[in-house]
Amino acid sequence: GAGVSQSPSNKVTEKGKDVELRCDPISGHTALYWYRQSLGQGLEFLIYFQGNSAPDKSGLPSDRFSAERTGGSVSTLTIQRTQQEDSAVYLCASSLVHYGYTFGSGTRLTVV
Amino acid sequence: AQSVTQPDIHITVSEGASLELRCNYSYGATPYLFWYVQSPGQGLQLLLKYFSGDTLVQGIKGFEAEFKRSQSSFNLRKPSVHWSDAAEYFCAVGATDSWGKLQFGAGTQVVVTP
Repeated sequence: GAGVSQSPSNKVTEKGKDVELRCDPISGHTALYWYRQSLGQGLEFLIYFQGNSAPDKSGLPSDRFSAERTGGSVSTLTIQRTQQEDSAVYLCASSLVHYGYTFGSGTRLTVV
Repeated sequence: AQSVTQPDIHITVSEGASLELRCNYSYGATPYLFWYVQSPGQGLQLLLKYFSGDTLVQGIKGFEAEFKRSQSSFNLRKPSVHWSDAAEYFCAVGATDSWGKLQFGAGTQVVVTP
């Protein structure tokens, strides 16, 4: 597609439930990134995938968070046993060249 | 560890007036430097970036930024703001030895008054 697509755009879930957030990057982009933006905060790096290399998971806040990227394309960020502090906007970006990010519009997650 | 500081959480500016947003970074070497803008309901858009070379960088929408190594700063400026410049602005740094992980500042909210 023309841009980075994220779904759903909004998600409300009950505390303790698992959620999956999807990112469909720009076709051909080899790098894919997940960031989290909490209210009043800047963006916090979570994880990135680069080609066939092992992902950099250094930003994942706990073992409840995981992500995968299938076939070098679509990525899914999974949060298990959601907590209220997980409420945030989750942003995905993809890139073909060094630091050439294109961001998606994000998924707003609300844990109630 | 690298860090980014945007000292101003909120700035109000009159339409037509000049705007300067501050950004200071902490990093062992010269990092890659970026400014992004996020309008309500919109994704993040790159305004400009600095990798090397000329320390005055021109970006889109009439913005420019100046890299000052001695001050570890990368301030964003616009000579005359338009109402459409009301948005949140983020400074970010990237390590030169990384393939693209960015560290963002907390953002500056810009309000434009008539």
